[in-house]
Amino acid sequence: DGGITQSPKYLFRKEGQNVTLSCEQNLNHDAMYWYRQDPGQGLRLIYYSQIVNDFQKGDIAEGYSVSREKKESFPLTVTSAQKNPTAFYLCASGPQKQETQYFGPGTRLLVL
Amino acid sequence: EDKVVQSPLSLVVHEGDTVTLNCSYEVTNFRSLLWYKQEKKAPTFLFMLTSSGIEKKSGRLSSILDKKELFSILNITATQTGDSAVYLCAAGVNAGGTSYGKLTFGQGTILTVHP
Repeated sequence: DGGITQSPKYLFRKEGQNVTLSCEQNLNHDAMYWYRQDPGQGLRLIYYSQIVNDFQKGDIAEGYSVSREKKESFPLTVTSAQKNPTAFYLCASGPQKQETQYFGPGTRLLVL
Repeated sequence: EDKVVQSPLSLVVHEGDTVTLNCSYEVTNFRSLLWYKQEKKAPTFLFMLTSSGIEKKSGRLSSILDKKELFSILNITATQTGDSAVYLCAAGVNAGGTSYGKLTFGQGTILTVHP
C-alpha cells in the first residue's frame, strides 16, 4: 500500500515541552513538506525539503525544526519556542520539481 | 508577499445545484494553480492548471485558469451531499532552485450540500 503516514493522530504537549511529529512516505518521492492548518487560514508552509539532507524554511518556520536524514522520513519537532502550537499539522510529499503534492492524514496537536 | 484568496468562504446549497468557487492569486513567478478537496483530514488532489483557457474536467467537476486576470474557478454541477468539503486552491511557483514545488494556499471554501 503506497501512501503517506503520520503519527500520532492526536498529540498533547505540556508547556515547555518539545514534541516530534512523524511523517513517512513510501511513494519514492524526493520532496516533502510540512503545513500547519488553523481554522479560516488554509494551509501555511512550515518547512520543505526537495532532497535528502537538505531543507528550507517556509513561511512560518519559527518555533519548529526538521531533519531529512532518509528519503522516506521528514519528522517535525515543535519546540517550546512555538507559543501557539495548537493546530492541525499536515505532511505532504511529491516528485521533485513538481507542484503536485499528496497529503498524509494529519496530526492534531493540543496544548495541555 | 505571495497571496491567494478564495471566495466565497462558505457556501450552502441543495443537492442538484451548480456551484462556482473562485480563486484569485498574486504570486511572483507563478507557474500553476492547483485545486484540492479536503473532507475531514488529508486534502486530495483534484486539478492542476498551467495554461489559460483550457478547461480540465473530471466527472461533474471542471476548472479553468485565466492568467491574464489572475484567477481560477472550480465548477461543480449537479451537486451531491458527498461534495460537502473544504475546497482549497494553491498557487505553485517557478523560482528555480529549491523553490520548485512550493505552494501558497488560499483560506479554503467550505461547501455544504444539503439533501
